[in-house]
Amino acid sequence: EAGVVQSPRYKIIEKKQPVAFWCNPISGHNTLYWYLQNLGQGPELLIRYENEEAVDDSQLPKDRFSAERLKGVDSTLKIQPAELGDSAVYLCASSQTGYGADTQYFGPGTRLTVL
Amino acid sequence: AQSVSQHNHHVILSEAASLELGCNYSYGGTVNLFWYVQYPGQHLQLLLKYFSGDPLVKGIKGFEAEFIKSKFSFNLRKPSVQWSDTAEYFCAVKDQTGANNLFFGTGTRLTVIP
Repeated sequence: EAGVVQSPRYKIIEKKQPVAFWCNPISGHNTLYWYLQNLGQGPELLIRYENEEAVDDSQLPKDRFSAERLKGVDSTLKIQPAELGDSAVYLCASSQTGYGADTQYFGPGTRLTVL
Repeated sequence: AQSVSQHNHHVILSEAASLELGCNYSYGGTVNLFWYVQYPGQHLQLLLKYFSGDPLVKGIKGFEAEFIKSKFSFNLRKPSVQWSDTAEYFCAVKDQTGANNLFFGTGTRLTVIP
């Protein structure tokens, strides 16, 4: 079974440029999560989708970050414009549902460097 | 909001030594608890999880963890570590109410010396 797929794996951009990350969850998983992981820290949730609906985006900095999950499968996370402090690893995870005994499965992440 | 504390930031052990990594959480209600591991260059993988029942949970690769509700703890243990256990270990908690999101600790880096 294929795991969570993310691309690109690495991205280097200059500040003020836009950037987008893509995630393909495990087949059949209705819930998709985007996390931010700063160096030396644990992942922090940015947004959670149940199918195509963003059910929790309270931690997403909406002035520059946006996300979408059209058709309830793949998802894209965008930053525009990027700032130096956005340098981090962006993780995508999925689970069958967002409740109960479900385990979240993580992708390899996209390491963003903003110069 | 929930929070998770992992007090050991970096642990260095020799092979065959016993391991215990601390994890304390702040939420007082019903919780689900997890340990994830991140090997160098790899993605986060689930080691074990506790949802209910026996508070002593066994996971993959010989790891186990004990849920002690009175101490708000979920410490990870392994009786004899191997060089291949070198990795970053993250404790996480998910509550049963609200958004059911995962809250992670800051992680503990384990280095096992051959």
